Amino acid sequence: DTAVSQTPKYLVTQMGNDKSIKCEQNLGHDTMYWYKQDSKKFLKIMFSYNNKELIINETVPNRFSPKSPDKAHLNLHINSLELGDSAVYFCASSHGSGTSGPYNEQFFGPGTRLTVL
Amino acid sequence: KQEVTQIPAALSVPEGENLVLNCSFTDSAIYNLQWFRQDPGKGLTSLLLIQSSQREQTSGRLNASLDKSSGRSTLYIAASQPGDSATYLCAGGSGGGADGLTFGKGTHLIIQP
Repeated sequence: DTAVSQTPKYLVTQMGNDKSIKCEQNLGHDTMYWYKQDSKKFLKIMFSYNNKELIINETVPNRFSPKSPDKAHLNLHINSLELGDSAVYFCASSHGSGTSGPYNEQFFGPGTRLTVL
Repeated sequence: KQEVTQIPAALSVPEGENLVLNCSFTDSAIYNLQWFRQDPGKGLTSLLLIQSSQREQTSGRLNASLDKSSGRSTLYIAASQPGDSATYLCAGGSGGGADGLTFGKGTHLIIQP
């Protein structure tokens, strides 16, 4: 069984379009995250979402918005796509966040490669 | 603000060697340190998690250590195999902000058969 899944795996779109990436976890975790891996393979946190509390990395443009229909899902919606948005986007989840403990081990999805033309 | 650095950026060794990957971090208030492997075009696989109160964790041929006072973690791989070839990422959680992990840029490891 897949623990953290993302769809689609690949997404190719034109500049200016709006797109969404879906993420689902079946681990019963309370916290979900979105990370961006740029062309140099560097991973950076974008958002974390826990008990309806959204914490945003201040460097993320407001064109990016996470949406959580329920605890098992955290989708990423991107408006007005730009060339610089091309990257691999990873969803992750953990039981909790912000404190030490095995419950905060993060598990990652397979990634969505977004290409903006 | 937490910063994580990994050395070396790339490493190529013959099969069977024992090797050490290094990770350093700037914020000693780290609460978890996690090691991952990433295969080309794939997601991240969690290898080991070390809590702030622990000094090391072991899983099979892998051993990870954590020294908060010096801001360092090491990943020791014993008896390396070609299947160990991947990029190894070190990531620290230190709270605040988006409570996500701060990643290093990784060590690209090649094990020669």
